[in-house]
Amino acid sequence: AQTVTQSQPEMSVQEAETVTLSCTYDTSESNYYLFWYKQPPSRQMILVIRQEAYKQQNATENRFSVNFQKAAKSFSLKISDSQLGDTAMYFCAFMKLSYSGGGADGLTFGKGTHLIIQP
Amino acid sequence: DSGVTQTPKHLITATGQRVTLRCSPRSGDLSVYWYQQSLDQGLQFLIQYYNGEERAKGNILERFSAQQFPDLHSELNLSSLELGDSALYFCASSVDATSGSETQYFGPGTRLLVL
Repeated sequence: AQTVTQSQPEMSVQEAETVTLSCTYDTSESNYYLFWYKQPPSRQMILVIRQEAYKQQNATENRFSVNFQKAAKSFSLKISDSQLGDTAMYFCAFMKLSYSGGGADGLTFGKGTHLIIQP
Repeated sequence: DSGVTQTPKHLITATGQRVTLRCSPRSGDLSVYWYQQSLDQGLQFLIQYYNGEERAKGNILERFSAQQFPDLHSELNLSSLELGDSALYFCASSVDATSGSETQYFGPGTRLLVL
């Protein structure tokens, strides 16, 4: 079974600053995806970024980027030029790829980091 | 808007009752996942269906069941409800039939309150 650990329950930064959220995971699988999802006060789960384990290059999406260290089983999220709208719970998630076809297994989530962007 | 729809948005019921939550996946997606989010347990995977067939089970209670219909919508049935079943229930879809993308996109959730 996989486990995902987010060691920062809450973080607070000033608007326009850069912030890094930590995530570590434990697995014996070799083929998997990692994700960061954002959950604002509306409670909607919004995909932020995805990383395939077989790719060495770190994923980026506009102001969001990851630092994926496969050997260390670490997957941190960096948010640059933070904005008030970035205030949300951020969840790190692991997904094992299924070889039987027809979709991957369910996501395993960390407990989340509550990020607060101060004006 | 992820393209995944869930109904109802809110549901209030009593202990011992049975409810059905409904999910329509994104157009072209073949796989549906159900998750439960509660204060105690966090976000937990319940069950997955792919093209009408059950593919994976997570921490789903025996009182809970699900199915995926030929039009690919899915229903999650919760019976003999207990106070602890109060939670936000998410549906997610993936496996685009064209691209094969396995990224999961979430619906807005159904908020269940058991009194």
